[in-house]
Amino acid sequence: AQSVTQLDSHVSVSEGTPVLLRCNYSSSYSPSLFWYVQHPNKGLQLLLKYTSAATLVKGINGFEAEFKKSETSFHLTKPSAHMSDAAEYFCVVIRGNNAGNMLTFGGGTRLMVKP
Amino acid sequence: DADVTQTPRNRITKTGKRIMLECSQTKGHDRMYWYRQDPGLGLRLIYYSFDVKDINKGEISDGYSVSRQAQAKFSLSLESAIPNQTALYFCATSDPRGWSTDTQYFGPGTRLTVL
Repeated sequence: AQSVTQLDSHVSVSEGTPVLLRCNYSSSYSPSLFWYVQHPNKGLQLLLKYTSAATLVKGINGFEAEFKKSETSFHLTKPSAHMSDAAEYFCVVIRGNNAGNMLTFGGGTRLMVKP
Repeated sequence: DADVTQTPRNRITKTGKRIMLECSQTKGHDRMYWYRQDPGLGLRLIYYSFDVKDINKGEISDGYSVSRQAQAKFSLSLESAIPNQTALYFCATSDPRGWSTDTQYFGPGTRLTVL
């Protein structure tokens, strides 16, 4: 079975400082992992995805994530936060089976960016 | 994502009422999904459909039913709404090209309140 744990429900940073959103997963085989972002009153937008190619994945808006199998982690980072990054972020693992590929979501991390 | 639309965007109803949430997509995707979002729990899968003739229960299908009227339309019904079905509901679509790269595209969500 697959599961995802986002270690922080809320993260607060100052504008211009680095962002780190932590995600650990468990999977019975090599997973595919995603980060989605949800801005207030909006749907979910794909930030980036890991699909067993390069372990460092670059996404939109300057975000990137590194897949570390030994640590079962897929943390999301950004060197310098912008006010527009304030949103909720979801780490997601895909669980493939004969019937198709289902997503399992973490509980979400709400990122707040202070001026 | 304007390619996936949901109606209504907001709905307040009373316990025991029948409610239908509708989802339409112009992406031409065969696969469609319904999720509910609750604070701290991420998104959980209610039902999914891989084509017009295929309907499958997700992890929390009790109290819900769905109808896949066409490739582009997937409706979620609450036969007799109860207060713990108050949540944000998302529809999503995907194009299953390549195992484990099944990116899902989300609608803007429907906020449902059951009094």
